Amino acid sequence: DIQMTQSPSSLSASVGDRVTITCQASQDISNYLNWYQQKPGKAPKLLIYDASNLETGVPSRFSGSGSGTDFTFTISSLQPEDIATYYCQQYDNLRVLTFGGGTKVEIK
Amino acid sequence: EVQLVESGGGLVQPGRSLRLSCAASGFTFDDYAMHWVRQAPGKGLEWVSGISWNSGSIGYADSVKGRFTISRDNAKNSLYLQMNSLRAEDTALYYCAKGYNWNSATFDYWGQGTLVTVSS
Repeated sequence: DIQMTQSPSSLSASVGDRVTITCQASQDISNYLNWYQQKPGKAPKLLIYDASNLETGVPSRFSGSGSGTDFTFTISSLQPEDIATYYCQQYDNLRVLTFGGGTKVEIK
Repeated sequence: EVQLVESGGGLVQPGRSLRLSCAASGFTFDDYAMHWVRQAPGKGLEWVSGISWNSGSIGYADSVKGRFTISRDNAKNSLYLQMNSLRAEDTALYYCAKGYNWNSATFDYWGQGTLVTVSS
C-alpha cells in the first residue's frame, strides 16, 4: 500500500503569511494527488486536483505543485477564513487511494 | 445544485450490521463514480470504498474488506454501504462523496455525513 506522509501536522501563522504544507508518497504516484480543506464541523472541500489544478471557484491564493513522490500545497497569503485542516490524497484508481494525516492551520 | 444526503447511521452493537444510504440529486448519477469516506471522532479522513458508474469496478480499504459491501442503484440515484461484523473501530462519521467522472477517485462533492457508533 502507498503511504502518504504529510507535514507538518499543525502550524500557526499570521494573516498574510505564506503557508506551505508537504506530502510525500512512499512510491511514485505521478501527479495523482489531490488537496482538500476541511473546516470544523463541515465536510471536506476539494481545492486542488491532479497535483496542481485549481478546482473551479477556489481562490487563486491556493496552489499545488509536485510530481512523483514529493508534493507541496501553498497558501500565498493566509486569510482568517483559511483556518481549517488540510489533507492530501493520493489515488491510483478508484480502488487504491489514501489520505495524508492532515495539517491543522491556525492563526497566530 | 449537487446534493448528497446520507442516512442510516446510528448506535449498533459490535458484531451487528447496518446499511447506509446516500440519496443523490442535481447531477446525472449514473455518469459518475461514488465513494464512502469516514472520519473517526477527532481523527483524519479514511477512504472506505468506491464504485464506478456501472458497478464494474469496486474497491475497499483493507480495514473493511470482507465486511463491507458497496452498491448503487442508478434507477434510484442512490448509493449504499452494507456494513457487517461491525467493530468499535468502525465508529465514525461516514461521508458519501461524488467522483469527478465515471471512474474517478477525486471527490468533488461531499454529503454532510451520517454518524455510526459501534458500542455495547
